[in-house]
Order: sequence, then structure tokens, then C-alpha cells
Amino acid sequence: KNEVEQSPQNLTAQEGEFITINCSYSVGISALHWLQQHPGGGIVSLFMLSSGKKKHGRLIATINIQEKHSSLHITASHPRDSAVYICAVRNSSGSARQLTFGSGTQLTVLP
Amino acid sequence: NAGVTQTPKFQVLKTGQSMTLQCAQDMNHEYMSWYRQDPGMGLRLIHYSVGAGITDQGEVPNGYNVSRSTTEDFPLRLLSAAPSQTSVYFCASRVQTATEAFFGQGTRLTVV
Repeated sequence: KNEVEQSPQNLTAQEGEFITINCSYSVGISALHWLQQHPGGGIVSLFMLSSGKKKHGRLIATINIQEKHSSLHITASHPRDSAVYICAVRNSSGSARQLTFGSGTQLTVLP
Repeated sequence: NAGVTQTPKFQVLKTGQSMTLQCAQDMNHEYMSWYRQDPGMGLRLIHYSVGAGITDQGEVPNGYNVSRSTTEDFPLRLLSAAPSQTSVYFCASRVQTATEAFFGQGTRLTVV
């Protein structure tokens, strides 16, 4: 079983829809990251959180440490949000320098 | 401030050839790392460095070498390319004590 599981693997939405991407992990963590990878390939950090909730524009990330679960929400989705969204966790034990990545969620927003 | 710069963006190699993927950052970050990304799998750590002169192996180090002679540069060497090394490679850097990572644009490598 992978340490970081994302769902769904693929998601297609209509422009304007509210989108949720989920991330579950099985290890103790010191931080969780949400990343965005556009079709051109580059990876950009969206959020880094260890508790509660963070908001940036139309993006909201939440984390429940007790349930080992995080969600990324996109409000009023737009075709430019089409990308792969990746969840990554930093283990609280072992080498604190390393991230473990989920396999990503491919989001397509149709106009 | 260019961030993390990777070169080349694309490369095709024949089996057995060697090459170096370049990675440079201008943010004075201590920690740098190389990942590979394969379909259906998360990014996997190949090698990392916590500062000039210090490198260590990650999850999938076989077939790859690294060195860190300066803070800015962290090249990844393929000594004898194999088709199993066909992948997209990402370099990342961050400040030693912080956790946000900055990624390069990636190198798409095909070994035939």
C-alpha cells in the first residue's frame, strides 16, 4: 500500500464547478504539500500545511491530522485550472528532508 | 532571480551512452534533490544533497551519480543509460530548515 493515496486519479469538470481532490496518508507527518503540474511539465508549490486550513484565491487546502487526510478544493473552476495536482507528505520520523509523493490527480476543466 | 534551472528539456540517448543533466539554483538553497517521474507513480527521490560536498542516496539511486561542488549546482550523471531510465527528471531545491520546495521545469529523457 502506498504511503500517500490520492483520489480520484482523473477528474473532469465543467467550468464553474466546485472541485475536491483528496489525499490520504498512512504515516506520521510534519507537513503536507499540494503541488500543481501543468501540461508543460513544470511543478509549482501551492500550499504547505501542517494543520487547519489555508486559502489562496480560489484554492483552499484543509488537513485533518487525526484522520490523516487532506483535501484540495477549487471554487468556480476554470479551464486554466486543468493540471495534475500532487499531494506530498514529509514524514515526521526518519529523514525529515524527504518528501513522499502521491501519484497525482489529473484535472480537466471543460469550458 | 531565475529559481531552479534544468537543462536540457529533452534528450534522447542510445543504450549505453552517458550524459549529465544539469541543475542550477540562484536562491542560495542548501538542500537540493533529484526526482524521477514515471506514469502512474509519484515522484521518486534519486539522490539529494544537504550542502556543498555532501550527497546521499534516495529511494532509486542505482545507475545515477551526483556531486555537489558548489551550493548552486547539482548535476545528475547517467553513466550507462538503460531503457528503464526513460523518465521525466526533476530537480528541486529548498532552504535547509524550511519545507517549501522549488522545482525545475523537468527534463524528458528517452533511452532507446
